[in-house]
Amino acid sequence: GQQLNQSPQSMFIQEGEDVSMNCTSSSIFNTWLWYKQDPGEGPVLLIALYKAGELTSNGRLTAQFGITRKDSFLNISASIPSDVGIYFCAGPIIQGAQKLVFGQGTRLTINP
Amino acid sequence: DAGVIQSPRHEVTEMGQEVTLRCKPISGHNSLFWYRQTMMRGLELLIYFNNNVPIDDSGMPEDRFSAKMPNASFSTLKIQPSEPRDSAVYFCASSLIDRGGGTDTQYFGPGTRLTVL
Repeated sequence: GQQLNQSPQSMFIQEGEDVSMNCTSSSIFNTWLWYKQDPGEGPVLLIALYKAGELTSNGRLTAQFGITRKDSFLNISASIPSDVGIYFCAGPIIQGAQKLVFGQGTRLTINP
Repeated sequence: DAGVIQSPRHEVTEMGQEVTLRCKPISGHNSLFWYRQTMMRGLELLIYFNNNVPIDDSGMPEDRFSAKMPNASFSTLKIQPSEPRDSAVYFCASSLIDRGGGTDTQYFGPGTRLTVL
């Protein structure tokens, strides 16, 4: 089945640093979603991408839909302690489908 | 506004016991999803409903698992009998179907952490 591979699996950074993570697939995706999961909570949607090449921002977060439609990137600028958590990429199994497949997540830890 | 509500938040039970997890979706949403999260397998979709009707239960691990949605505001996920390998965090999510054919935003509940001893 379709799989999403995220890297890195974990990151340890200093407060104020910028963060970059990515998600790749062997299959084409027509929608890319980025979720964040805080400790003890469920995932929350951060950014949704719908077109190849699309670059979308949400505050200090910026995500890009790769041109090949097989990858996506998430950047966080000037990290702060509340950015700690697990970041997941996700996408529908088929275009427009409700059934999502999730990556294994990138765990972000920030040293104050 | 209330988000997705799940109960209990934590459940500890012994192997062989029946476990029932509960979910109240966001009012007005017409799709409901049950997920399971483990370290080994990540976040997996178990089953989802549209308008209270089960659409895809291919992710349900085995017959010990069952899910119901008797009305638009309530769903249960039942495990009978439970086994230690069922220990995980179970999430419920709800969404409003995008009539335009796009991918709906799924809103997750806080999860139920299940431990089967």
